[in-house]
Amino acid sequence: EDKVVQSPLSLVVHEGDTVTLNCSYEVTNFRSLLWYKQEKKAPTFLFMLTSSGIEKKSGRLSSILDKKELFSILNITATQTGDSAVYLCAVNMNYGGSQGNLIFGKGTKLSVKP
Amino acid sequence: KAGVTQTPRYLIKTRGQQVTLSCSPISGHRSVSWYQQTPGQGLQFLFEYFSETQRNKGNFPGRFSGRQFSNSRSEMNVSTLELGDSALYLCASSLRTSAGELFFGEGSRLTVL
Repeated sequence: EDKVVQSPLSLVVHEGDTVTLNCSYEVTNFRSLLWYKQEKKAPTFLFMLTSSGIEKKSGRLSSILDKKELFSILNITATQTGDSAVYLCAVNMNYGGSQGNLIFGKGTKLSVKP
Repeated sequence: KAGVTQTPRYLIKTRGQQVTLSCSPISGHRSVSWYQQTPGQGLQFLFEYFSETQRNKGNFPGRFSGRQFSNSRSEMNVSTLELGDSALYLCASSLRTSAGELFFGEGSRLTVL
């Protein structure tokens, strides 16, 4: 059965801390791994990873994929209260050209205290 | 550029009724997918449409159905509602070659009493 597992499920840190969120997966026909941030309703796209070892960066956020060990991490440095959200990891698989079938993990709820 | 628009945003139904939710994708996006989000199960894939054809379907009962129109707008329908159908229903659109990069709407919050 295809699955995506995130850890930890929740995390409380103080502003300025650095956090690492984990995502492991077991899927057939892997195409890409994606990270989303969900603050209230609509998840917003952060990163898409397709190749091992190539770090993607956007400001204080970065992510990397290990296709051999089947996991990804999302790092957030110098956290701010605005980083408080649920971070979702998802895997997209090759199914006859299907684009929108993502398998999501349960998410990591990050709370950043001032 | 307008984002993904979902209507209605909130609705309350009783068991046994049916509901139709609507989704307008980002202009130029022809792929629309639907997800159900609950506290226990997280985000689960319902179905995906492209060019008015269902391309993929998740593991949900036949009470859940959808369709896509020629202008890429999509609707999903849930018949014979059950209490367990209470959830946030999220619609997402994407370009055909996005390899999974989805743009989500704000969702429709369905409560079944």
